[in-house]
Amino acid sequence: EAGVAQSPRYKIIEKRQSVAFWCNPISGHATLYWYQQILGQGPKLLIQFQNNGVVDDSQLPKDRFSAERLKGVDSTLKIQPAKLEDSAVYLCASSLDRTTNEQFFGPGTRLTVL
Amino acid sequence: DAKTTQPNSMESNEEEPVHLPCNHSTISGTDYIHWYRQLPSQGPEYVIHGLTSNVNNRMASLAIAEDRKSSTLILHRATLRDAAVYYCILRDFISNFGNEKLTFGTGTRLTIIP
Repeated sequence: EAGVAQSPRYKIIEKRQSVAFWCNPISGHATLYWYQQILGQGPKLLIQFQNNGVVDDSQLPKDRFSAERLKGVDSTLKIQPAKLEDSAVYLCASSLDRTTNEQFFGPGTRLTVL
Repeated sequence: DAKTTQPNSMESNEEEPVHLPCNHSTISGTDYIHWYRQLPSQGPEYVIHGLTSNVNNRMASLAIAEDRKSSTLILHRATLRDAAVYYCILRDFISNFGNEKLTFGTGTRLTIIP
């Protein structure tokens, strides 16, 4: 079974530029999550989708971050404009649905903002 | 979300059992205890979860105190591949909704000594 796919794996940009990350969850998984992991910290949930609807985006900085999952399958997370403090690993995860205990994580995208 | 307390780091010798403690004195009756681990340069990986009874799976065992205020993740025979950050997370389950979000702390960094 293929795992959660993410691209790119690494991205370096200058502050005030924009960037987008892509995630393809495990086939059949209805719930998709985006996390931000700053160096030395645990992952922090940014947004949770159930199919193509947003369940929780309470910790998403909506002035600069946006995410979509238009067809209820793959998803894109965008940052515009980026700040230095956005340097982090962005992790995508999926689960069968909200009642499932196990979340499957992708390898992440490491973003460096200069 | 109820909080957990874990040691920042632990060391263990290869091929010996490892006991990773977690304190959660404010746990509520519907909080499940979840463990995830994160190997270097990878996304987190589900390990095990439980509510009241001790649990075993192919990766580890989870021992839960009778008052549920603490738990211990047990790796029966540590290998070098078990070197990772281990996260103990309380996760509420609400009927008609499903699981609350995963809230990661800083976890315990486990070092395996060859």
